[in-house]
Amino acid sequence: SQQGEEDPQALSIQEGENATMNCSYKTSINNLQWYRQNSGRGLVHLILIRSNEREKHSGRLRVTLDTSKKSSSLLITASRAADTASYFCATDASFTGGGNKLTFGTGTQLKVEL
Amino acid sequence: KAGVTQTPRYLIKTRGQQVTLSCSPISGHRSVSWYQQTPGQGLQFLFEYFSETQRNKGNFPGRFSGRQFSNSRSEMNVSTLELGDSALYLCASSFTPGTGGTGANVLTFGAGSRLTVL
Repeated sequence: SQQGEEDPQALSIQEGENATMNCSYKTSINNLQWYRQNSGRGLVHLILIRSNEREKHSGRLRVTLDTSKKSSSLLITASRAADTASYFCATDASFTGGGNKLTFGTGTQLKVEL
Repeated sequence: KAGVTQTPRYLIKTRGQQVTLSCSPISGHRSVSWYQQTPGQGLQFLFEYFSETQRNKGNFPGRFSGRQFSNSRSEMNVSTLELGDSALYLCASSFTPGTGGTGANVLTFGAGSRLTVL
């Protein structure tokens, strides 16, 4: 089952504009991560935010986390055509027992047009 | 540093057959996870191996199995294939062992093995 729902499901913007996508999840988490996937290939890790952090930046990416609302947002500023991809949030709820078991959201398909 | 390598990249099987997929993690990564991706169900966790032991398992039937070797390479097997098993199977490796609460389980994914069941 999927932990997160993302919206919008699809987003189309012009190059240079900002893109914002949102993720909601259901249970308490240790951290939340965002991944990008190009055309049905493997996923690439973008950024991680821990449950005790509220905002994090990496280059043109800005992630926020609101644990009280169980939600996160990913902002891509000054988008480029190369940003066209699907974006997934993934939650890590491994508080006990350890191990890697990320639960992925439904994804947002971003299209950046020239 | 070589990335995560998955073989084969594409394969076609018929119902009832079985399939074995292989994954070579990044050198030094001891955790290997497997995910199934389909248009209908999205990305679903299959299982995770660490030091040759299955540490986590998702909600898949027993037809789905895996193992990890001493060199951290992993294989997953699907027996008695069904049409619904058609999917992109993704392998991911991680350096952090995942200590829960202190570890950060950042995954590096391979390009995937696309399985079509006819």
